[in-house]
Amino acid sequence: QVQLVESGGGGVQPGGSLRLSCAASGITLSRFDVHWVRQAPGKGLEWVAFIRYDGSHIYFSDSVRGRFSISRDNYKDTVYLQMNSLRPDDTALYFCAKDHGVRATPFDLWGQGTLVTVSS
Amino acid sequence: NFILTQPHSVSESPGKTVTISCTLSSGNIAHNYVQWYQQRPGSSPTTVIYEDNERPSGVPARFSGSIDVSSNSASLTISGLKSEDEADYYCQSYDRSNPYWVFGGGTKLTVL
Repeated sequence: QVQLVESGGGGVQPGGSLRLSCAASGITLSRFDVHWVRQAPGKGLEWVAFIRYDGSHIYFSDSVRGRFSISRDNYKDTVYLQMNSLRPDDTALYFCAKDHGVRATPFDLWGQGTLVTVSS
Repeated sequence: NFILTQPHSVSESPGKTVTISCTLSSGNIAHNYVQWYQQRPGSSPTTVIYEDNERPSGVPARFSGSIDVSSNSASLTISGLKSEDEADYYCQSYDRSNPYWVFGGGTKLTVL
């Protein structure tokens, strides 16, 4: 079964850090561009970060630039989102999603998400 | 960065047709593809339309997409509404200037 699986979420105090992971089964994630998208409780989807399949291009939303970083280990076929200086408004379900690779479908397959809660 | 504006909610009866709009705040809607995603309660989003008007395999032909340059908007039309279509729908496009991927605020579809 083709799927993406996120992990690493949890509760953290404001100013703290977390590292999220995105792993794949049934596909070779290293062949695809990958995004992180978040959804605050009861709210809509917000794009967070992008990494090219080979790591050559990285982009962030204005809301996380300078605090979050994205990387990938193509030997482990895993993409990471390092989140530093976390704030309460970073509380959300964080999804990773892969690009289709051929079609203009940047969010072709989504994981189930991992919940990040920032609270004192 | 541009903004994609969707109605907060729409409702319609089973068997009817509903159209959800997505208006681009600046730039030309025809310059970057629009995608549409369906998110049922408690589930991850799935693609129902890509590249403005294409349907992935497995998405019923009841779902269609279009763009209108005159109103600078995209639309998702669902015909023959079923209770299973009740979900949140998000449009999405791409801002080349940064680059930046943008989602609309989402539209809650209620099938009465």
